[in-house]
Amino acid sequence: GENVEQHPSTLSVQEGDSAVIKCTYSDSASNYFPWYKQELGKRPQLIIDIRSNVGEKKDQRIAVTLNKTAKHFSLHITETQPEDSAVYFCAASEYFGNEKLTFGTGTRLTIIP
Amino acid sequence: GAVVSQHPSWVICKSGTSVKIECRSLDFQATTMFWYRQFPKQSLMLMATSNEGSKATYEQGVEKDKFLINHASLTLSTLTVTSAHPEDSSFYICSAFFQRGGDHLKAYGYTFGSGTRLTVV
Repeated sequence: GENVEQHPSTLSVQEGDSAVIKCTYSDSASNYFPWYKQELGKRPQLIIDIRSNVGEKKDQRIAVTLNKTAKHFSLHITETQPEDSAVYFCAASEYFGNEKLTFGTGTRLTIIP
Repeated sequence: GAVVSQHPSWVICKSGTSVKIECRSLDFQATTMFWYRQFPKQSLMLMATSNEGSKATYEQGVEKDKFLINHASLTLSTLTVTSAHPEDSSFYICSAFFQRGGDHLKAYGYTFGSGTRLTVV
């Protein structure tokens, strides 16, 4: 089955700086890669996703890059703000559709004012 | 759109009792519901996948007789934790895939319930 590794487990950055979180996956058949933000006791919230037919996607301060050959994808947050502080999870799915997500281990991001 | 309503949001039960958690898709039909468990400061771990009208598929190491899943309709899936023990205390969350727009795929993704904090005392 799929295995998703995520690094780092914790990350502290100064407000205004950029944050990068990286994930690697094992199953070359995976083709959907979402990123979620989760606040304590709350449901995961999708912040950006990418499918395997593209290499990069951007939405304002957030971007995701995908390297299918190396089987890794990264989340980039620019101009970080205190409200970006949360736990971030990457995930991978083998099939775009009704297929389970395999989550990474999570990154606790702290933005230092 | 694409809302999954999960109840209860929290529950405290005595050891040995059973607890039922419900997830309803409010504005779409969820043919498949994924049930996850999340221990403090850990990731979401898939427990089982329920399909409407058929038996659930459980992940390795998850006891199907302890975690009973029912998916009787396209809008309702339930997870019952039977004979709960303190080690079952966790955050349980359901998720379903939605797709809108047909071939144009104008909106799609996985939507999550709000989660249920189970504490077994």
